[in-house]
Amino acid sequence: QKEVEQNSGPLSVPEGAIASLNCTYSDRGSQSFFWYRQYSGKSPELIMSIYSNGDKEDGRFTAQLNKASQYVSLLIRDSQPSDSATYLCAVNGKQAAGNKLTFGGGTRVLVKP
Amino acid sequence: EPEVTQTPSHQVTQMGQEVILRCVPISNHLYFYWYRQILGQKVEFLVSFYNNEISEKSEIFDDQFSVERPDGSNFTLKIRSTKLEDSAMYFCAGSRDRAYEQYFGPGTRLTVT
Repeated sequence: QKEVEQNSGPLSVPEGAIASLNCTYSDRGSQSFFWYRQYSGKSPELIMSIYSNGDKEDGRFTAQLNKASQYVSLLIRDSQPSDSATYLCAVNGKQAAGNKLTFGGGTRVLVKP
Repeated sequence: EPEVTQTPSHQVTQMGQEVILRCVPISNHLYFYWYRQILGQKVEFLVSFYNNEISEKSEIFDDQFSVERPDGSNFTLKIRSTKLEDSAMYFCAGSRDRAYEQYFGPGTRLTVT
């Protein structure tokens, strides 16, 4: 069973601070890694993708990937109240025909003004 | 910016009835997916579709489920005889390439009574 694990939270962060979210995955052959943001009752919204080891920055978001440790993280800098949401880690396995995403359970982030 | 659209936004049906959930993917996407999310649970993969064929399906996607791309733009998910446990949010997603980002539609909330 391919698993993606996240701390469910809530992760409470003061406005302006850095939120740090972690994700581990079990399938060592995983190729692609994504972070989605999901507001309550809404659909997942893609915020970051990362494919190779190291850091990738996009605006206030930085994704970090360490395939040897099977670990993906997301940093949110200068956190805003509008960042309050559940953040989903998703992993795409080996490039088989299906290309399915396996999701973690999500980390709920609360940014307090 | 093009978006994935889904109709209806909310569908209420009685147990045993057939439902069809509709999706219009982004026009340059080639890979299509259905996921579902039961309230409070993880996003789960149902099926992937490419070149008018199912690429991969999960254990959830049994004989009661089918997918179709009838006219080159719409992508549908049919549940032949709904069960109470089919109540969930159903998300359509699409991607340009096999390992590329998947973009989700707003979802259809299916309530089976």
